[in-house]
Amino acid sequence: KAGVTQTPRYLIKTRGQQVTLSCSPISGHRSVSWYQQTPGQGLQFLFEYFSETQRNKGNFPGRFSGRQFSNSRSEMNVSTLELGDSALYLCASSPRSGRLTNEQFFGPGTRLTVL
Amino acid sequence: QQQVKQSPQSLIVQKGGISIINCAYENTAFDYFPWYQQFPGKGPALLIAIRPDVSEKKEGRFTISFNKSAKQFSLHIMDSQPGDSATYFCAAADQTGANNLFFGTGTRLTVIP
Repeated sequence: KAGVTQTPRYLIKTRGQQVTLSCSPISGHRSVSWYQQTPGQGLQFLFEYFSETQRNKGNFPGRFSGRQFSNSRSEMNVSTLELGDSALYLCASSPRSGRLTNEQFFGPGTRLTVL
Repeated sequence: QQQVKQSPQSLIVQKGGISIINCAYENTAFDYFPWYQQFPGKGPALLIAIRPDVSEKKEGRFTISFNKSAKQFSLHIMDSQPGDSATYFCAAADQTGANNLFFGTGTRLTVIP
């Protein structure tokens, strides 16, 4: 079974621009979560999508948004980029979102650099 | 506020030795405790996970010990190998079923030959 794929792997943007990152979960997985990883703040939860609906959201400004398509693929968007948005953005897929918290499998991440 | 506290920040172990990484939490609603291994340039990979109904779980050379009353859990890597050199993260999630993991700050493990 193919793992979680993320595109692009590397991205360089300038302040004020916007960016869209893409994630394809493991086949059959319906939940996609996004995390930001930085040296200073570590791994922080951004949001989770299940069946095209945002289920949960972390403590990030509204500039960070996402969506999920009917095939479970997900995109996240960051508008009006700031220098502090430079990070590794990780996508994780899970079989389902329900009462039991499920294993999450991470992709390789997209390294975003904001200049 | 760090929901999961992890120590040590870095660890150097001789090949064949035991690596021990500790984590502590405050939120009693947490009921799922995974450990992830991350190599440079890669995403975190799930190693092993435990729920509070057991005190220990072993998979190969990796063991999680869980102390519910102390709200602590730890990862033990037996017979540590140079290939185990990586950053290890503990995490926790609560009973709402949300796939929202709260991560520790990570431990950089170096296993020297």
